[in-house]
Amino acid sequence: NAGVMQNPRHLVRRRGQEARLRCSPMKGHSHVYWYRQLPEEGLKFMVYLQKENIIDESGMPKERFSAEFPKEGPSILRIQQVVRGDSAAYFCASSPSAMLDNEQFFGPGTRLTVL
Amino acid sequence: GQQVMQIPQYQHVQEGEDFTTYCNSSTTLSNIQWYKQRPGGHPVFLIQLVKSGEVKKQKRLTFQFGEAKKNSSLHITATQTTDVGTYFCAGVGPNVVGSQGNLIFGKGTKLSVKP
Repeated sequence: NAGVMQNPRHLVRRRGQEARLRCSPMKGHSHVYWYRQLPEEGLKFMVYLQKENIIDESGMPKERFSAEFPKEGPSILRIQQVVRGDSAAYFCASSPSAMLDNEQFFGPGTRLTVL
Repeated sequence: GQQVMQIPQYQHVQEGEDFTTYCNSSTTLSNIQWYKQRPGGHPVFLIQLVKSGEVKKQKRLTFQFGEAKKNSSLHITATQTTDVGTYFCAGVGPNVVGSQGNLIFGKGTKLSVKP
């Protein structure tokens, strides 16, 4: 059973470009969470999605950031017109149900560098 | 909003010494989870505590949840070089409406072990 997969592992973008980060949850998991981690910082919750639905996006910036989890295919975190401050590690996690007393399984992360 | 604070931020120990990290929440938690992140890696779930005053052990690791469910600690006995990494606590408050996925992470304690 493959774990959570994220790609790309490293992404370099110039200011103003778009970044697309992909996350495939573990088999059988339909709940996906995205987190951002700045260097030497903890993980900051961004968004929680279920298939085709955004459940909680309270941690996601209102502008330039969007997320989706289509019926088929991976979850996508999209950052438009990237700025240097977007440079961070973006982790995706999945769980089998919505209950918060389930552990979250993390992917290896995408390290985004904005030049 | 709810905050989860963790101390110390860094801890350097000699191999064989003990290590403790503390986690404090500004509000009562329904449960608390602990994760470990190796350098350059992704967070890996260690344990979850649910009950007031709960104590759980995993080999040399001891996890405690405070009576008031507002604080927690992780204690490692006789550290080894394999314990190196950042330890995060993550909690969620009770009655979290509309934020079902919102695990609040502490900033972590970075442990280094000198052989």
